[in-house]
Amino acid sequence: DGGITQSPKYLFRKEGQNVTLSCEQNLNHDAMYWYRQDPGQGLRLIYYSQIVNDFQKGDIAEGYSVSREKKESFPLTVTSAQKNPTAFYLCASSKGQASSGANVLTFGAGSRLTVL
Amino acid sequence: QKEVEQNSGPLSVPEGAIASLNCTYSDRGSQSFFWYRQYSGKSPELIMSIYSNGDKEDGRFTAQLNKASQYVSLLIRDSQPSDSATYLCAGTGRMDSSYKLIFGSGTRLLVRP
Repeated sequence: DGGITQSPKYLFRKEGQNVTLSCEQNLNHDAMYWYRQDPGQGLRLIYYSQIVNDFQKGDIAEGYSVSREKKESFPLTVTSAQKNPTAFYLCASSKGQASSGANVLTFGAGSRLTVL
Repeated sequence: QKEVEQNSGPLSVPEGAIASLNCTYSDRGSQSFFWYRQYSGKSPELIMSIYSNGDKEDGRFTAQLNKASQYVSLLIRDSQPSDSATYLCAGTGRMDSSYKLIFGSGTRLLVRP
């Protein structure tokens, strides 16, 4: 079955550590996205990528980094520069730009990061 | 800052009633709107999409769009306890040379048996 796989599902980080969240899709989608969700909040865009080897900052990119070396993969690194990283992280993909009904977002199951 | 606004709720309705969820948006250039359902601790799943003024029906769900008033709504008929979840409204917004979805903070719906 096609879908998006995020790992790990739960992750604990000590202050000062970098951690990387994995996102893999087998939907042959061009665009991939990382969102952050805090309790009682909507989704905020961290980074997005429309094609391989290209990505753009979203609204809250500070303290995060990404890479897009393969179409299927879009890992997110939460660096020690992110001062409040505890949140639910969601990876999503779409066939093209999220600008029409044909390009709706498909989400992974999410990764919950907690800073100890 | 382009925004999508929702009442956080909770909206509590009895089983079998119609639940009405509302959303307003600030960007007049937004073309497409989406309703996602999110169960606690889970990822969002698409319920409805709407692009033109008027109503769009899919089973128990009806999405309504009024671009002049910058207003989107979702009606759930014959509400079931399994509909209890947070409903996220999202609209497209222009960012640099591409588009992104702007999400509201969600409305929590509680359907009482």
